[in-house]
Amino acid sequence: TQLLEQSPQFLSIQEGENLTVYCNSSSVFSSLQWYRQEPGEGPVLLVTVVTGGEVKKLKRLTFQFGDARKDSSLHITAAQPGDTGLYLCAGGASGGSYIPTFGRGTSLIVHP
Amino acid sequence: DAGVIQSPRHEVTEMGQEVTLRCKPISGHDYLFWYRQTMMRGLELLIYFNNNVPIDDSGMPEDRFSAKMPNASFSTLKIQPSEPRDSAVYFCASSGLAGGNEQFFGPGTRLTVL
Repeated sequence: TQLLEQSPQFLSIQEGENLTVYCNSSSVFSSLQWYRQEPGEGPVLLVTVVTGGEVKKLKRLTFQFGDARKDSSLHITAAQPGDTGLYLCAGGASGGSYIPTFGRGTSLIVHP
Repeated sequence: DAGVIQSPRHEVTEMGQEVTLRCKPISGHDYLFWYRQTMMRGLELLIYFNNNVPIDDSGMPEDRFSAKMPNASFSTLKIQPSEPRDSAVYFCASSGLAGGNEQFFGPGTRLTVL
């Protein structure tokens, strides 16, 4: 089983602050996804990264896939209350059907 | 498209009762997944189907849990008999080759077993 460790588990910050959350594994993944889950809803895909070293930006969110494809980070610039939610990373192995393994997530609260 | 539909949204039942959770995947998706989410264990994959056929049920906790997918537009997850430790949010998700590897999740069913 490929395990994904996410840190920190919880994060409470003020509006306008920057933050970085991490997703680490000892396994190599063919691709890695980041989902955001808001209270009372299911996770929604934010981004998929597939190439080692790849950086993707989504407005104030910057996602990076590690060179060895074992880890990833999500950086949020000038966080806003709307960024509040559970951020989940999910990794899949190459070959066959893509069945991702999810980390336990980072719960982010951004206070106005 | 309405997205993945789950019912009921909330279920409260007593220990020992049978519980049936329902899911309608996005039309055209050929993969369907059932997950359970708790604070302690996070999001756990219970079982997934490909073209209505169960492929991997190794995540199903025990024989009290069963899942079926009689056709491409409907799946059920049944717990019989239910126990308090089954209390969790259960999600159904679907995906298809056309959408890459993105999983589309339903809103979940919050199950409370008293």
